[in-house]
Amino acid sequence: NAGVTQTPKFQVLKTGQSMTLQCAQDMNHEYMSWYRQDPGMGLRLIHYSVGAGITDQGEVPNGYNVSRSTTEDFPLRLLSAAPSQTSVYFCASSYFNTNTGELFFGEGSRLTVL
Amino acid sequence: EDQVTQSPEALRLQEGESSSLNCSYTVSGLRGLFWYRQDPGKGPEFLFTLYSAGEEKEKERLKATLTKKESFLHITAPKPEDSATYLCAVQARAAKDTGRRALTFGSGTRLQVQP
Repeated sequence: NAGVTQTPKFQVLKTGQSMTLQCAQDMNHEYMSWYRQDPGMGLRLIHYSVGAGITDQGEVPNGYNVSRSTTEDFPLRLLSAAPSQTSVYFCASSYFNTNTGELFFGEGSRLTVL
Repeated sequence: EDQVTQSPEALRLQEGESSSLNCSYTVSGLRGLFWYRQDPGKGPEFLFTLYSAGEEKEKERLKATLTKKESFLHITAPKPEDSATYLCAVQARAAKDTGRRALTFGSGTRLQVQP
């Protein structure tokens, strides 16, 4: 049982480049979300989804897009990378009908934008 | 605006030296308070959920407690393997259930337990 799998683990981009961070879960969770973690700050919600075809914005959505075509996958797209998007990104999932504060996190994707 | 403040930022203990981590919060109606453990280079791992003042949860050497303004994570006789960053998060009771149920996280307490 793999849980939540994120790829890549590390990525370096130049300003203006685009890329997609992949997230897949094999627990049949309805709820999936993306957080970013920056030094000295708490994890902040970027986007979330409560099921296939349903997505919505979190606290810091600007510069990011998401889609949810299947229950298992929830990719995060950076449209035109900026240095302010240098961060560690975490994908997290849970069953929607239980308390969605009990999240299962992936191991993270560390992104550096030059 | 919901807010979570954790203290201290860092804590160094000797093996066996008990202590407590603090999580102060303000939230517009608490749905739940959550404790997570995060090891270096890893994602957070869920530990506890607390729902109402007076509630306590225990797991091995860890005990979490909750009041109306703060939560404590008590660590009894810690071992080096307890070294990690401990994160606290709150979830507000939304007026409408938008499905968002976002968590507001604190910045964590980095605990180091020396042998």
